[in-house]
Amino acid sequence: GENVEQHPSTLSVQEGDSAVIKCTYSDSASNYFPWYKQELGKRPQLIIDIRSNVGEKKDQRIAVTLNKTAKHFSLHITETQPEDSAVYFCAAPGIGGADGLTFGKGTHLIIQP
Amino acid sequence: DAGVIQSPRHEVTEMGQEVTLRCKPISGHNSLFWYRQTMMRGLELLIYFNNNVPIDDSGMPEDRFSAKMPNASFSTLKIQPSEPRDSAVYFCASSQGGGSYNEQFFGPGTRLTVL
Repeated sequence: GENVEQHPSTLSVQEGDSAVIKCTYSDSASNYFPWYKQELGKRPQLIIDIRSNVGEKKDQRIAVTLNKTAKHFSLHITETQPEDSAVYFCAAPGIGGADGLTFGKGTHLIIQP
Repeated sequence: DAGVIQSPRHEVTEMGQEVTLRCKPISGHNSLFWYRQTMMRGLELLIYFNNNVPIDDSGMPEDRFSAKMPNASFSTLKIQPSEPRDSAVYFCASSQGGGSYNEQFFGPGTRLTVL
């Protein structure tokens, strides 16, 4: 099945600075890469996703980049704000999506005032 | 739309007891997923259904776990007998379309504590 590695496990940045979270995956057939945000005590929610026919996607202050050759993708958050504090998960489907999503272990993003 | 509904929200039980978790997916969604979340193991997929049929149950830890989806609007995850290591938050999620290429909408989760 798919193996997804995510780092760092914890990331602390000053408010207003940028944050970058990186993930690698193992299944070269994977072609959909979502990012979920989970606030403390809440459910995970999709914030952005990218399909393999593009290398980058942006939505206001967040962006995701994908390098299929290297099998890695990254989440970029610019101008970080206190409400960005949460755990972020990357994910990838295995074997054409038939196996469901495999999630990374998560990154706890802390925004320092 | 009420979103994905799960019950109960909290469950405390003793080792050896049977536990049944329930999920109602978003109307019109035809894929349903059960996940388990712990600090040690993160968010793990247990089983996923498409059009009420189990597609991938490779994440079900052992025979003590079973899941059913008798119709498009209801699914259960049962643990019998329960053990302390089953303590976790169990999420149900649903999505439109088959496979994992679409946004999954998570329910609020059931926090299970097995004493």
